[in-house]
Amino acid sequence: SAVISQKPSRDICQRGTSLTIQCQVDSQVTMMFWYRQQPGQSLTLIATANQGSEATYESGFVIDKFPISRPNLTFSTLTVSNMSPEDSSIYLCSVGSSGRGPDEQFFGPGTRLTVL
Amino acid sequence: SQKIEQNSEALNIQEGKTATLTCNYTNYSPAYLQWYRQDPGRGPVFLLLIRENEKEKRKERLKVTFDTTLKQSLFHITASQPADSATYLCALSNYGQNFVFGPGTRLSVLP
Repeated sequence: SAVISQKPSRDICQRGTSLTIQCQVDSQVTMMFWYRQQPGQSLTLIATANQGSEATYESGFVIDKFPISRPNLTFSTLTVSNMSPEDSSIYLCSVGSSGRGPDEQFFGPGTRLTVL
Repeated sequence: SQKIEQNSEALNIQEGKTATLTCNYTNYSPAYLQWYRQDPGRGPVFLLLIRENEKEKRKERLKVTFDTTLKQSLFHITASQPADSATYLCALSNYGQNFVFGPGTRLSVLP
């Protein structure tokens, strides 16, 4: 199993600002995933973050809005840029158990973002 | 486009009964199907994975079935307890691809 921590756990931000969310894993993993969970809804994959290469974004998500860093095998950041109230959501990072792809996924506790 | 449906947003059941949750999908042929539990304010927690060539999987009081002809998975919790109250998510994946999550069913087990 993997233990994942996220910072911050929650934040309230002003429209137009940016927030960087950190994700730390207690073991080395190849692939990390960033999800968004809007109020009352299920998880939507934003992007897959691979160490040493550019993140792969899902349809509807772009790098300018959600830049991702993956400097090593245990850490990743997701930035929510130029925020609007529509970005209010829970943001979750996860890793696959094998590190090679999505078998069982382990999730962090999430970052609850509120944009005013 | 791919679509995943889970039965009813909410399901109430009496303690001790068997809870049955449904996950239906269209326009997809998943190799794997998973079930997760999510408590309020927390990330999902993995429960069970079943592969396309498996019909049934069990773990303690949990049982999952996977019918690729009906494009449906059933998730059963036997002898349900109030502590089983949570939102349950199904998630589908193909080989080497990421999981797509269903909308979830909020289960309440009443004492």
